[in-house]
Amino acid sequence: DAGITQSPRHKVTETGTPVTLRCHQTENHRYMYWYRQDPGHGLRLIHYSYGVKDTDKGEVSDGYSVSRSKTEDFLLTLESATSSQTSVYFCAIGIGTSGSTDTQYFGPGTRLTVL
Amino acid sequence: AQKITQTQPGMFVQEKEAVTLDCTYDTSDPSYGLFWYKQPSSGEMIFLIYQGSYDQQNATEGRYSLNFQKARKSANLVISASQLGDSAMYFCAMREGSRSGSNYKLTFGKGTLLTVNP
Repeated sequence: DAGITQSPRHKVTETGTPVTLRCHQTENHRYMYWYRQDPGHGLRLIHYSYGVKDTDKGEVSDGYSVSRSKTEDFLLTLESATSSQTSVYFCAIGIGTSGSTDTQYFGPGTRLTVL
Repeated sequence: AQKITQTQPGMFVQEKEAVTLDCTYDTSDPSYGLFWYKQPSSGEMIFLIYQGSYDQQNATEGRYSLNFQKARKSANLVISASQLGDSAMYFCAMREGSRSGSNYKLTFGKGTLLTVNP
């Protein structure tokens, strides 16, 4: 158990509303990631963080922002949700000696539906 | 071109038999890592096994082994003595090592759904 929780686990929202998903870890790992999973696409990286206030974009970052004000929390925000952002969102933490060699362990996921 | 290809959308295996799940990858980076994850119907992503591009021996973790053929760019997962609880979606993933920023990203295949029959 890598000590990762995600909240909420399920959310239904309407197009145009802001949504924030939270990822919390209990072990002070430096690297954290947000992925989305869609049928036929596997998982795709949205944003990642390599420390407090240090974040960078992944391959599908449009429409998403992130923040990391504390080591243990990594927030993903959809400023104005769209139906194309209906997905399952996974947070992951990197456990190892550095970001480039870490193994990523995943949280339980958040199922988001945008109507 | 896809970086990770899993050609088997679905596989069936009898309980207690071995099964191989295929994964081929595409990279020009000499430094990379290959991962396998299991996703049961409950939805969580479970890390199974890792192989580094410079590792001389194939990785093994209990009933899981990774058949790494570097020249063929394949990293097949072998599950020995299948159990009913092995029924799940299996994802192969790659992390490329040397290009700035890319070494944090896992690129996933589309997955193989394994069903273990009693």
